Amino acid sequence: AQSVTQPDIHITVSEGASLELRCNYSYGATPYLFWYVQSPGQGLQLLLKYFSGDTLVQGIKGFEAEFKRSQSSFNLRKPSVHWSDAAEYFCAVRSSNYQLIWGAGTKLIIKP
Amino acid sequence: GAGVSQSPSNKVTEKGKDVELRCDPISGHTALYWYRQRLGQGLEFLIYFQGNSAPDKSGLPSDRFSAERTGESVSTLTIQRTQQEDSAVYLCASSLGTSSGNTIYFGEGSWLTVV
Repeated sequence: AQSVTQPDIHITVSEGASLELRCNYSYGATPYLFWYVQSPGQGLQLLLKYFSGDTLVQGIKGFEAEFKRSQSSFNLRKPSVHWSDAAEYFCAVRSSNYQLIWGAGTKLIIKP
Repeated sequence: GAGVSQSPSNKVTEKGKDVELRCDPISGHTALYWYRQRLGQGLEFLIYFQGNSAPDKSGLPSDRFSAERTGESVSTLTIQRTQQEDSAVYLCASSLGTSSGNTIYFGEGSWLTVV
């Protein structure tokens, strides 16, 4: 069955520190992978997506993610977080019937 | 409009009442999705419309939930005889189509509280 796992429910990092949010997927074919961010009181915003080609994709707000087929992972990274990055982050994979299958989300907390 | 618009943004209703949530997708987007997000949980797929095809209702949790879409425009999600476990944010999204290059854009959600 198709699934997405985000193993970390919460992550706390200091402002200026680097960040990596984990995402593992289970999908039979070549996956189309997404990272979305949801800030408090706001809708979901697409950070970046992977369909094919270069396995390191760049997104908005300084985020990047690397697709690793051998590890079934699509981890989100940022070299230096800002307090405004505090939000909930969702990883998703597009299923064969065009729906998005979502991870449970990771809440990012920024320490001053 | 510029983005996906949902209304109401907040709704408090009494248990047992019916509620209707509205979604205006981005103009020209043929695909429309409804998701539910309960507090502290991830997103649950509810229903998906694509053009004039029959909607995919496989995610609707019970027969109290239904949704309609007028052509390729407005969609309404109706919850009948609301229960407290229906309290959640209901998110609508739309995309130009279903090919891999189409980004899915989300509205800000309708926050439903059943008391």
